[in-house]
Amino acid sequence: GAGVSQSPSNKVTEKGKDVELRCDPISGHTALYWYRQSLGQGLEFLIYFQGNSAPDKSGLPSDRFSAERTGGSVSTLTIQRTQQEDSAVYLCASSPRGGRTEAFFGQGTRLTVV
Amino acid sequence: AQTVTQSQPEMSVQEAETVTLSCTYDTSENNYYLFWYKQPPSRQMILVIRQEAYKQQNATENRFSVNFQKAAKSFSLKISDSQLGDTAMYFCALSWSNAGKSTFGDGTTLTVKP
Repeated sequence: GAGVSQSPSNKVTEKGKDVELRCDPISGHTALYWYRQSLGQGLEFLIYFQGNSAPDKSGLPSDRFSAERTGGSVSTLTIQRTQQEDSAVYLCASSPRGGRTEAFFGQGTRLTVV
Repeated sequence: AQTVTQSQPEMSVQEAETVTLSCTYDTSENNYYLFWYKQPPSRQMILVIRQEAYKQQNATENRFSVNFQKAAKSFSLKISDSQLGDTAMYFCALSWSNAGKSTFGDGTTLTVKP
């Protein structure tokens, strides 16, 4: 594809519901990242995939957060039993060769928990 | 642990003038990479410039250049002939060869005034 695609672009959910956020990386990019960005703040690392495995998931804030990647391509970030503090923009990025190369970002999913 | 510090939360500059954004970092790695990313109000994060730590020459991309001081662990971004479209949040980031994730600073919000 032309770039990293994320869906939905906006999501409003009720507290306690589960949500799934999707990321479609650039074709051929082996590395995929999820970050969280609160309003006007920096990026908080969540998880890194190399292929289908996640060598670094140290940033997942709680066991309510999980992510998977299938076929070395699409990734899904799932948040169970959402809380108001989960409200943020969730950014996905991919890169051809991990840390040595630039990350290409999607436009993010703005999650609002009400 | 790797850290990135951007000490200027907000800056402003008049159109056509020059502005410098500061970034300092700390890492125990010898082979690492530094990036400046731009995030305009549209939320799409894009790469501005990249520097490989083993290269002494400062990277330049058109109106954007860096002042990389390896011993001081400093990586500032200079924007010349500022344009209204440069208004955005700028993030400094650090990664290294064997890492997946990049470590990001908290960002500097730059406003270019007409």
